Amino acid sequence: DAKTTQPPSMDCAEGRAANLPCNHSTISGNEYVYWYRQIHSQGPQYIIHGLKNNETNEMASLIITEDRKSSTLILPHATLRDTAVYYCIPNSGYALNFGKGTSLLVTP
Amino acid sequence: DGGITQSPKYLFRKEGQNVTLSCEQNLNHDAMYWYRQDPGQGLRLIYYSQIVNDFQKGDIAEGYSVSREKKESFPLTVTSAQKNPTAFYLCASSIGSGPLYEQYFGPGTRLTVT
Repeated sequence: DAKTTQPPSMDCAEGRAANLPCNHSTISGNEYVYWYRQIHSQGPQYIIHGLKNNETNEMASLIITEDRKSSTLILPHATLRDTAVYYCIPNSGYALNFGKGTSLLVTP
Repeated sequence: DGGITQSPKYLFRKEGQNVTLSCEQNLNHDAMYWYRQDPGQGLRLIYYSQIVNDFQKGDIAEGYSVSREKKESFPLTVTSAQKNPTAFYLCASSIGSGPLYEQYFGPGTRLTVT
């Protein structure tokens, strides 16, 4: 699986959009880009995934660059409950390889 | 409510004892997974099962065993052969297996072995 680079931490004001970047320059053609988040001491929560096209669901939007070497997860109106560690995971098999992720802090 | 349940939330055992962690899902998912998470680390795959009566080893299967006799249940046994069993254990399931299908996680069981 491709290696990823995410900023270790980010802050976002409540009500503003949170844009979380991920670099996956070694991603292969059959790897989907998955995003999960984990609130301390809880199980990870699935957010969204995509292959080539941008995707949107009720939680977030996923923007994947045309060369697929990077992606951005967008939480359009962050709330305090969005404070969590966010993981970007290229996946072509069965195992989800969680790296260190980005710790997002949403502030009032 | 549909979802994945893991019990108990906290489990304490003495060294040398086997312990079985429960994972049940009512999502009618074919595939189920067990992961382990150590403090400050990512998740690592222990075992996965694509279908009833079938399972495969993940990256760190040594010292663990599983069974998949029913679609909704995938118990994990941590044996005395596991050298560092204290960890946070997470169970997940997906409709199908492979990268097309998202995995949904249970709340986890925190195992402490002393």
